[in-house]
Amino acid sequence: DVKVTQSSRYLVKRTGEKVFLECVQDMDHENMFWYRQDPGLGLRLIYFSYDVKMKEKGDIPEGYSVSREKKERFSLILESASTNQTSMYLCASSLSHPVKYEQYFGPGTRLTVT
Amino acid sequence: AQSVTQLDSQVPVFEEAPVELRCNYSSSVSVYLFWYVQYPNQGLQLLLKYLSGSTLVESINGFEAEFNKSQTSFHLRKPSVHISDTAEYFCAVSEAGAGSYQLTFGKGTKLSVIP
Repeated sequence: DVKVTQSSRYLVKRTGEKVFLECVQDMDHENMFWYRQDPGLGLRLIYFSYDVKMKEKGDIPEGYSVSREKKERFSLILESASTNQTSMYLCASSLSHPVKYEQYFGPGTRLTVT
Repeated sequence: AQSVTQLDSQVPVFEEAPVELRCNYSSSVSVYLFWYVQYPNQGLQLLLKYLSGSTLVESINGFEAEFNKSQTSFHLRKPSVHISDTAEYFCAVSEAGAGSYQLTFGKGTKLSVIP
């Protein structure tokens, strides 16, 4: 069964802290994605990666960075957390095959920055 | 670039009544279309998808969606809803063809089924 796991379901951090969100998939997928989800705004793409050590900016990359050192793991980093980064963060993965583009999502991490 | 518009942010409906969740997209190229569902405190799950072929696609739990190219729509329907269908539903589009694996999501429609 397809599985995407995220390191924490709930996280509370202080303003200015460096925050790491980890995502692991066990499906040998090439592509991995980080989204943030806010009420009324839907899902917005922060960064994605189509291969190890490769990354591309999404729609809202400011204030975030990512790391993909291994195929199965994709990390989202908040260098200096701010209150406007309080949100639900969703990780997803997919194959690159044209007819298998559906993305598989993890359960999400609800981050609160105080 | 693609865009997706979900016309209703919230849809209340009585149990066993039919429901339609509307989705329109904009794209200059051929597209793949998806509906995802998010139950409370969970990630998104794929409900159904249109890639090619028959324009009517169905899910295992009774939902169906019809791709209408002329109206650029992909509305989701169910003839009789259950309490367990209460969730948020997201329509998504991707560019068809190799190398285009990003999804653009709509803002979501919250379906509330009333007993």
